[in-house]
Amino acid sequence: AQTVTQSQPEMSVQEAETVTLSCTYDTSESDYYLFWYKQPPSRQMILVIRQEAYKQQNATENRFSVNFQKAAKSFSLKISDSQLGDAAMYFCAYTSMKTSYDKVIFGPGTSLSVIP
Amino acid sequence: DAGVTQSPTHLIKTRGQQVTLRCSPKSGHDTVSWYQQALGQGPQFIFQYYEEEERQRGNFPDRFSGHQFPNYSSELNVNALLLGDSALYLCASSQGRKKAFEQYFGPGTRLTVT
Repeated sequence: AQTVTQSQPEMSVQEAETVTLSCTYDTSESDYYLFWYKQPPSRQMILVIRQEAYKQQNATENRFSVNFQKAAKSFSLKISDSQLGDAAMYFCAYTSMKTSYDKVIFGPGTSLSVIP
Repeated sequence: DAGVTQSPTHLIKTRGQQVTLRCSPKSGHDTVSWYQQALGQGPQFIFQYYEEEERQRGNFPDRFSGHQFPNYSSELNVNALLLGDSALYLCASSQGRKKAFEQYFGPGTRLTVT
């Protein structure tokens, strides 16, 4: 069974600094997607960044970038120039392109605080 | 372009009662998935509806059932409510099956069971 683990329940970062959130996953498949979702207090689940497993190049979206290590099954999120609006729960997630293609499997989340 | 909408926003029910939650998918989407997010946890997949049929189901009891209408909107029904059913219920939509990587989520319905 596929699983997603986030070992940091809480993280904090000073405004304008850089923070990295960790995620590991377990799967026996080779074709899948990985995601980072942001969930602010408004509860809306917002897609931050998406990585296709067959792409070796790490995905980036403005201040957000990932470090995808397929062999190590590691998928970390780096937030640069942190802003107050980045404070939220961050969920690492996985979906298979074969067996679980209809659902997203989420990790337990990391609560990120941004200190002014 | 309307995104995924859910109603109601909040709901309080008593143990043993039944509840119905509603979801309208994003314009152009025909597939709806439901997730349960307990407090302090990540969402867990309940089931998915496509072409008015349940297509895939997570590890949830039969008390959880659903329906999809011809206009692609969906309902989640929970019978015989338990305290443990208290959670945020998220709806997500996509265009077609096998598109979980392109899901859009709604704002959720917060269910409290007392």
